[in-house]
Amino acid sequence: DTGVSQNPRHKITKRGQNVTFRCDPISEHNRLYWYRQTLGQGPEFLTYFQNEAQLEKSRLLSDRFSAERPKGSFSTLEIQRTEQGDSAMYLCASSLGEGGPYEQYFGPGTRLTVT
Amino acid sequence: GENVEQHPSTLSVQEGDSAVIKCTYSDSASNYFPWYKQELGKRPQLIIDIRSNVGEKKDQRIAVTLNKTAKHFSLHITETQPEDSAVYFCAARRGTGGFKTIFGAGTRLFVKA
Repeated sequence: DTGVSQNPRHKITKRGQNVTFRCDPISEHNRLYWYRQTLGQGPEFLTYFQNEAQLEKSRLLSDRFSAERPKGSFSTLEIQRTEQGDSAMYLCASSLGEGGPYEQYFGPGTRLTVT
Repeated sequence: GENVEQHPSTLSVQEGDSAVIKCTYSDSASNYFPWYKQELGKRPQLIIDIRSNVGEKKDQRIAVTLNKTAKHFSLHITETQPEDSAVYFCAARRGTGGFKTIFGAGTRLFVKA
């Protein structure tokens, strides 16, 4: 499968625990985006990378959230001290870089449930 | 701040009829407007997009129109089929100064056979 992949697909955790999600973009894509989607809503932008540089971060991304893309390929999103309000689908997308705008291809998402 | 309003939230049509979904955006610097289709339990997929230097774009049964002055854009689906049933999201994005994409809340389209 040459599309965007995300792991795990589902995560159930207890409030207060830390969780980490991984996104593998399409190999030639140098832009990578993280979104959060709750039931009945559109995806909400969280953050965006161009190669390894995190260029934009939403105010939704509190201090408990951190994202990295250390080698400009895969990315991780970590949530520390999870809260019930963090329960959502976390979507990753990738796109080509220079020029554009280019289509963003979404991954299948990681569904987080905080109990 | 940036905002995209989408209407209606739910739309039910008879197979073969047309469906129209409307969006407005607040950021006048937006210059790229994609539309995504999301089926239940699946990822959003791009179905059509339009850039601000174009007023209309068509791809088979799907068309999108853009009115930059009014900050409105619309999705038109003609000859609807049951497989068109899904949630549709409009979105708006700046071309410079960042690549944050703002999505509407979605329209759940039901096409009755």
